[in-house]
Amino acid sequence: GQQVMQIPQYQHVQEGEDFTTYCNSSTTLSNIQWYKQRPGGHPVFLIQLVKSGEVKKQKRLTFQFGEAKKNSSLHITATQTTDVGTYFCGGSGGSNYKLTFGKGTLLTVNP
Amino acid sequence: DAGVIQSPRHEVTEMGQEVTLRCKPISGHNSLFWYRQTMMRGLELLIYFNNNVPIDDSGMPEDRFSAKMPNASFSTLKIQPSEPRDSAVYFCASSLSGTARVEQFFGPGTRLTVL
Repeated sequence: GQQVMQIPQYQHVQEGEDFTTYCNSSTTLSNIQWYKQRPGGHPVFLIQLVKSGEVKKQKRLTFQFGEAKKNSSLHITATQTTDVGTYFCGGSGGSNYKLTFGKGTLLTVNP
Repeated sequence: DAGVIQSPRHEVTEMGQEVTLRCKPISGHNSLFWYRQTMMRGLELLIYFNNNVPIDDSGMPEDRFSAKMPNASFSTLKIQPSEPRDSAVYFCASSLSGTARVEQFFGPGTRLTVL
C-alpha cells in the first residue's frame, strides 16, 4: 500500500534558525496536506498542495510539492518558539478520500 | 462553531473492560474519520464514514473494535475487550465532503490508557 515517509523524525533548533521537514511518498500523489500538532494538542490543517511543482507561502512558512508529485517539503524561516510542535504531511494517491500520514517531524525551538 | 467535540478527553481502564469513545462532528460535515495515534505507528486511519455510512473500515485492528454513526451528529468507537496495546490517543475528524482534497478538522482527542 501507499507509504509516506517523513524526515527528520526530530529537529531541535535555536530560535532564529531555519527548519525544513521532508515528506516522501512511495507512489505518485494527487494532493498533499500539511498539519501542525502542538504538544498535547490535535492536528490543525496548514495548507494543501495539488499541482506539480507548486510552491505556497504562509508568512515564514514555505511549502513545496515536487515535480513528480512524490515528495514535498515545509520550510520555516527564522523559527520562533511558537513554531514548536509536530508537523505532519498527509498524501492522497488512488483513494478519493483517504490521507496517508507520515509519522511527523517534532520541532523544538530553544529560545 | 464549537469544532469537533470528543469525550471523554482521558480514559483509564483495566484490561478486559469495554471502552466507548464519542464524537460529535462539525454541523454540516458529511464525512467522519476515526484515527489512532501512537509513537510507534503515527496517525492511522481506523474507519471512515460518509453520510453516516461506513465506507472503509480496513484500518480497524480487529474484531474487538467497532464503530457506529447512528446520525449525522454522533459517532462512537467501541473497544471490547480492551487490551494494554490499545493505549493511544484516538482522534475523530470531520470534513465537508468525502474527498481527500478537503481540509479535515480534528477533535481534541481521547487519551486512552489500558492497564
